[in-house]
Order: sequence, then C-alpha cells, then structure tokens
Amino acid sequence: DTGVSQNPRHKITKRGQNVTFRCDPISEHNRLYWYRQTLGQGPEFLTYFQNEAQLEKSRLLSDRFSAERPKGSFSTLEIQRTEQGDSAMYLCASSLTSGRGNTGELFFGEGSRLTVL
Amino acid sequence: EDQVTQSPEALRLQEGESSSLNCSYTVSGLRGLFWYRQDPGKGPEFLFTLYSAGEEKEKERLKATLTKKESFLHITAPKPEDSATYLCAVRASGGSYIPTFGRGTSLIVHP
Repeated sequence: DTGVSQNPRHKITKRGQNVTFRCDPISEHNRLYWYRQTLGQGPEFLTYFQNEAQLEKSRLLSDRFSAERPKGSFSTLEIQRTEQGDSAMYLCASSLTSGRGNTGELFFGEGSRLTVL
Repeated sequence: EDQVTQSPEALRLQEGESSSLNCSYTVSGLRGLFWYRQDPGKGPEFLFTLYSAGEEKEKERLKATLTKKESFLHITAPKPEDSATYLCAVRASGGSYIPTFGRGTSLIVHP
C-alpha cells in the first residue's frame, strides 16, 4: 500500500505523559501536514513541512507540541505533558508540489486517536 | 479570516431520495474549493476540486458545483454506502495555501 501511514492508530495515556505519533507520507510527496480533529468538528490545521523545512505553525500549536521531519521523509508529532484537552484524532496528510504549484488536494492517513485520561 | 460554513449539520435520507449539501465560504481570493468524504474513524478521502464559479465535477452519484459564494454537493439517488461525513475545504490566495475545513455534514442514507 503506497498511501499515507500513521502509527499508532490508537493511544491511551495518562495526563502528564508524553506521546509521539509517526507519519509516513506518500513517497514522492514533498509536503506533509498535521491536522487535529475532535468529534463533530472539521480538521484543524496544526503545522506543515515542505521537504524537511517546517514552514508554518498554527496558533493552536502550543509549546508542548513539536513536530519534525528529518531528511524530508517521515514526520513525528510529539505532545509533552499531555492534557485531557489534547484528546483528539491527529491526522497526517501529504501532497505534491510540482512545477505548476500545489493543486491543493491532500491525501490523508487513517489518523492516530489520542485519549488522555 | 477565511470562513467555511456547511449546512445542514446532519441529513437523513431514504435510499433513492436525492438532496444537496451546502458549503458557503468567505475567503480573499479563492484558490480552490475541495470536497472530501470521511468515514467514521478514518481520515478524509479526497473527492473533488473546484477552482472557478460555474465549474462542475461529477463522480458516480455525486456532483459538485461552485458559485462565487458557495458550493453544493448534489447526491442523486443515494445508496446506504454513501453514508459518511462530507467535508468542504477552501484555499485562499496570498498565503501559504493551507486548506481550511468546515465542520462537515453527516449524511445517513437509510435502506
């Protein structure tokens, strides 16, 4: 399967613990996005990378959140000192920017569901 | 600030009963309006991109249309397998082209 892969699919943790999610994008895609989605809401943008450079971060991304994309391949999203309000589905998506620009279609993974007790 | 409003929040249809979902938007320079389908517990799946008023796209029982202020997703003779949440997203010019999503319309089609 050459789609976007996210791990783990589900994570239950206690408040105050750190968690890390991994995303493997479609191999030829140079852009990678992280979104967060809670029940009944649409996906909310967190951050995105073009290759290994993190180009934009949302105001939603507090100091407890950090994302990396070493070597422009897979990405990790770490949440430190988790809070109950962090409980959500964390979605990763990728896209391809060609010489004609980015057409905007995002290809999403299945998501990583976080539950903070 | 870019805004995307979808209506209705939820829609229940009988199999074969055609209807439309609405996505109204406020952006400074539209650079694409996107429709996605999302099944429970899964990530959104891309359906259509529309770029300019008057444009239409079709896929099986779905047809997306675009005006200067809103987009419609028309569902003709829906089947139970069309049950899902349908998300609309817009991308504006003058920025980083990050799509902004609406809250979605939850569609249930009863057999």
